[in-house]
Amino acid sequence: DTGVSQNPRHKITKRGQNVTFRCDPISEHNRLYWYRQTLGQGPEFLTYFQNEAQLEKSRLLSDRFSAERPKGSFSTLEIQRTEQGDSAMYLCASSLDSGRLSKNIQYFGAGTRLSVL
Amino acid sequence: AQSVTQPDIHITVSEGASLELRCNYSYGATPYLFWYVQSPGQGLQLLLKYFSGDTLVQGIKGFEAEFKRSQSSFNLRKPSVHWSDAAEYFCAVGAPTGGFKTIFGAGTRLFVKA
Repeated sequence: DTGVSQNPRHKITKRGQNVTFRCDPISEHNRLYWYRQTLGQGPEFLTYFQNEAQLEKSRLLSDRFSAERPKGSFSTLEIQRTEQGDSAMYLCASSLDSGRLSKNIQYFGAGTRLSVL
Repeated sequence: AQSVTQPDIHITVSEGASLELRCNYSYGATPYLFWYVQSPGQGLQLLLKYFSGDTLVQGIKGFEAEFKRSQSSFNLRKPSVHWSDAAEYFCAVGAPTGGFKTIFGAGTRLFVKA
């Protein structure tokens, strides 16, 4: 297993354009998380999925943001009508919820760095 | 509400010297605590975790952390720092409700001088 994979690694876009990021979790992991990290800050929780169900969304996730995990495997995060304030690193993590706490450890991808011009 | 405070924005230590990174948390129940490391342009790697039991936990790369409930602290230590340890370090609290989302501190950047 190669770990959590995120694509693209970098994305430069113009204000007002839509962008989509993809995350491929570790294959047997049933939970998938999205975080946003701005310069000089720690990651901030955006949303998470248990299999294909989106169970929680942060207030940070405005209605321009949408995330999906259609078959409980990979996930996409779309940002519509991007703004300069959306510039950040978007991190994906996955974990295995097996009912044992020691297994519910999140493994992170390398992230997608978004720059909105 | 859960929160994590890392008082030091950056720390510089000499190679071979000991290291302690401070972390204070606020959480209403028994905390689940983590330390992650992030190298430039990379994702986060888990160094160690505390769920319960022994309050001194060992991690990878020679790191350890001690949970002190009375001080609401979970400080990270290493007896001898290597130049390759230069990175950003994040302390985090895991919330067992709500899918175990993780609340991160703002991070401490570690610089290592020769």
